[in-house]
Amino acid sequence: SYELTQPPSVSVSPGQTARITCSGDALPKKYAYWYQQKSGQAPVLVIYEDSKRPSGIPERFSGSSSGTMATLTINGAQMEDEVDYYCYSTDSSGKGVFGGGTKLTVL
Amino acid sequence: QVQLVESGGGVVQPGRSLRLSCAASGFTFNNHGIHWVRQAPGKGLEWVAVIWYDGSKKSYADSVKGRFTISRDNSKNTLYLQMNSLRAEDTAVYYCAREGIYGGNSGGLDYWGQGILVTVSS
Repeated sequence: SYELTQPPSVSVSPGQTARITCSGDALPKKYAYWYQQKSGQAPVLVIYEDSKRPSGIPERFSGSSSGTMATLTINGAQMEDEVDYYCYSTDSSGKGVFGGGTKLTVL
Repeated sequence: QVQLVESGGGVVQPGRSLRLSCAASGFTFNNHGIHWVRQAPGKGLEWVAVIWYDGSKKSYADSVKGRFTISRDNSKNTLYLQMNSLRAEDTAVYYCAREGIYGGNSGGLDYWGQGILVTVSS
């Protein structure tokens, strides 16, 4: 079955740039979406269609995709960004798939 | 505003059945595909199933195919998930989520419900 691979954890100093990657064989043909999830809450969409930011999402969040890898970038990471992030896409049959999730540590 | 509210969760014995509902409001329900996503305690998100805007197509994760059935009633703005032959590994918070529409193309999950806990235990 199709898989999206994320690093389990990423660390960044406050104010620095964090990059979270997501790799998958179908990403050259399928969009990636990124979700932020705080403990005990439903996920929130922060990036759609590889690089677009929904209204209300801070400008420090951006996305990109090249080949088989999509990247979520947080410029000027803040303590409040220290939560879990998931990438999402679909396989060739249209089934959804999530990456395993990345815990961002800001320290 | 867009709202999705799940109901029907609870504790159920292995092998039994449960039906979840997701009541939608604040948008034109029959314009959007709707998904179920689950999250086992302390684990990551797992995509479960999707149903097209008109109910004409459904797709399931391999882990639930043949046991779970997704359906919708567009006259009631409600999504359902019929879960049969439940197993301990189905224990999770279940979320319904709306598929987004961007410039005529659909994809991704743009709004989520608050989730409902299903516990499968004897």
